[in-house]
Amino acid sequence: AQSVTQPDIHITVSEGASLELRCNYSYGATPYLFWYVQSPGQGLQLLLKYFSGDTLVQGIKGFEAEFKRSQSSFNLRKPSVHWSDAAEYFCAVVLGNSGNTPLVFGKGTRLSVIA
Amino acid sequence: ETGVTQTPRHLVMGMTNKKSLKCEQHLGHNAMYWYKQSAKKPLELMFVYNFKEQTENNSVPSRFSPECPNSSHLFLHLHTLQPEDSALYLCASSHGDRNQETQYFGPGTRLLVL
Repeated sequence: AQSVTQPDIHITVSEGASLELRCNYSYGATPYLFWYVQSPGQGLQLLLKYFSGDTLVQGIKGFEAEFKRSQSSFNLRKPSVHWSDAAEYFCAVVLGNSGNTPLVFGKGTRLSVIA
Repeated sequence: ETGVTQTPRHLVMGMTNKKSLKCEQHLGHNAMYWYKQSAKKPLELMFVYNFKEQTENNSVPSRFSPECPNSSHLFLHLHTLQPEDSALYLCASSHGDRNQETQYFGPGTRLLVL
């Protein structure tokens, strides 16, 4: 069965430090990949997405992610974290075809930022 | 902002109550979704509507009844819920229901069933 794994439930980083959130998927075919962020009391906001082409994608708020097919990964990165980045981050995957199979989410990684 | 609104934001109900959650999108989208977000579990897709027609029912118990009167509005009618139904219910919309469509989420309704 298709699945999305976010190995880290909770990460704490210092403000200004770099960040990498991990995401691995198990799919037989080429997937479409997404990262969403959820601030407390809010819905999910799309940070970035990958469908094809350049495997390094840029998103909003200074985030980027790299698709590595050989590792079945789509890790999210930010070079310098701001306190306002504290939130929950969700990786999501869907089969990359013309159908309408559902979006599958990981369990999320909660990011805490300390001064 | 997302352009997807949900009301109420918080709801407490007893197991014998009947209530409804409302979602409205102002983005001109044609597809709308209900998700359930429980603690320590991935988001669970419940229902998908495309052009007011239900295209996905992800084995959801009948105590949850969706209604989509038009492409801008989506309701989730609740009756005889169980305490384990307590969760954050998120609505989303997208231009279409194809895989490459980006989904835009509302803020959710936090539901507590007593």
